[in-house]
Amino acid sequence: SYELTQPLSVSVALGQTARITCGGNNIGGKSVNWYQQKPGQAPVLVIYRDVSRPSGIPERFSASNSHNTATLTISRAQAGDEADYYCQVWDNFFHVFGTGTKVTVL
Amino acid sequence: EVQLVESGGGLVQPGGSLRLSCAASGFTFSSYNMNWVRQAPGKGLEWVSYISSTSSTLYYADSVKGRFTISRDNAKNSLSLQMSSLRDEDTAVYFCAGGYSGYDWFDYWGQGTLVTVSS
Repeated sequence: SYELTQPLSVSVALGQTARITCGGNNIGGKSVNWYQQKPGQAPVLVIYRDVSRPSGIPERFSASNSHNTATLTISRAQAGDEADYYCQVWDNFFHVFGTGTKVTVL
Repeated sequence: EVQLVESGGGLVQPGGSLRLSCAASGFTFSSYNMNWVRQAPGKGLEWVSYISSTSSTLYYADSVKGRFTISRDNAKNSLSLQMSSLRDEDTAVYFCAGGYSGYDWFDYWGQGTLVTVSS
């Protein structure tokens, strides 16, 4: 089965840039989506189809996908960005989520 | 306003059964593929099951195949998950999540319902 690996945690200083990676075999050949989940809440889609932002998601959220790594970038990090982040792909009749990354804003 | 409201969670003994429901409103339910996604306490997201917009295609995670059954009623804007032979490891918050037909991401999520499997 396909696996997506994320770092357990990422810390970023207020106003700086956080990068969250999502590793998978030839993930560059797949369409990657990203979700933000705050404690006690449902996930929210922040990036779809590798690089696109849904309406209402700040431009500070961007992403890329190439070869074996997809990356979510949060620029000018704010306290409200503190959350868990998950990557997700569709692979051969299964949706697959990454292991999740806890982002802490210092 | 888009709403997905899950119900039916609760405490059930190992080996027991439970039926979850998800009521949808505020969007064209019949145009969306629907899914169940679960999250064990303190853990990450795990996809459970998928049903296409017309119910013609169903998929299940290996961990629930043969035990869970997904269904929908487009006339009633509702999604269901029939769970049987429940195990301790099925304990989780279960979210219903929808994605527009033809696309592989989840646009809409419910707030979840907690299922606890314990004796």
